[in-house]
Amino acid sequence: EAQVTQNPRYLITVTGKKLTVTCSQNMNHEYMSWYRQDPGLGLRQIYYSMNVEVTDKGDVPEGYKVSRKEKRNFPLILESPSPNQTSLYFCASSFTSTSGTEAFFGQGTRLTVV
Amino acid sequence: SQKIEQNSEALNIQEGKTATLTCNYTNYSPAYLQWYRQDPGRGPVFLLLIRENEKEKRKERLKVTFDTTLKQSLFHITASQPADSATYLCALPPAGNMLTFGGGTRLMVKP
Repeated sequence: EAQVTQNPRYLITVTGKKLTVTCSQNMNHEYMSWYRQDPGLGLRQIYYSMNVEVTDKGDVPEGYKVSRKEKRNFPLILESPSPNQTSLYFCASSFTSTSGTEAFFGQGTRLTVV
Repeated sequence: SQKIEQNSEALNIQEGKTATLTCNYTNYSPAYLQWYRQDPGRGPVFLLLIRENEKEKRKERLKVTFDTTLKQSLFHITASQPADSATYLCALPPAGNMLTFGGGTRLMVKP
């Protein structure tokens, strides 16, 4: 089954404790991205990657890091989480055809930083 | 700056009626526009894509229009059902192949 898998689904952590949210896709898509979703602010892009070893900042990259060492994986790293990073996070992978780009989203990771 | 605007207020309609959601954008000239459905706590799911040279596109009970002069897309669900209750997001490609999303409109269909 074609899917994007994020782990963990739920995470509660303390301020300053480094964490990684994993994301893996099995569709051989070149493009992957991370979004955070907050009430009233919608989906905001954190980072994206257009291919292996190529990453770029999105709209809200501060406090986050990513890496793309393999095509299928795109982990999101919070080196020193803070309470304002409490949010619902989504990983997405996408492909582009002659019609356009279609994004496939993971199930989401609900992160709480206390 | 580039903006995508969707009505942030929830749309409440009666089962069987047609729901119409609006997506307006400024400072874009997108080659296409997409609509996604999102259920609470879950990731958005792709519904439809409409290209700039297409005025209208249909998929089952869904219809999307795209007016590049008005910079607006309308998303219609005909014969709406309670199962259609969700948040609907429009998305545009501002540059390259990555997508930017509107804030979404929550639709509530009452039986």
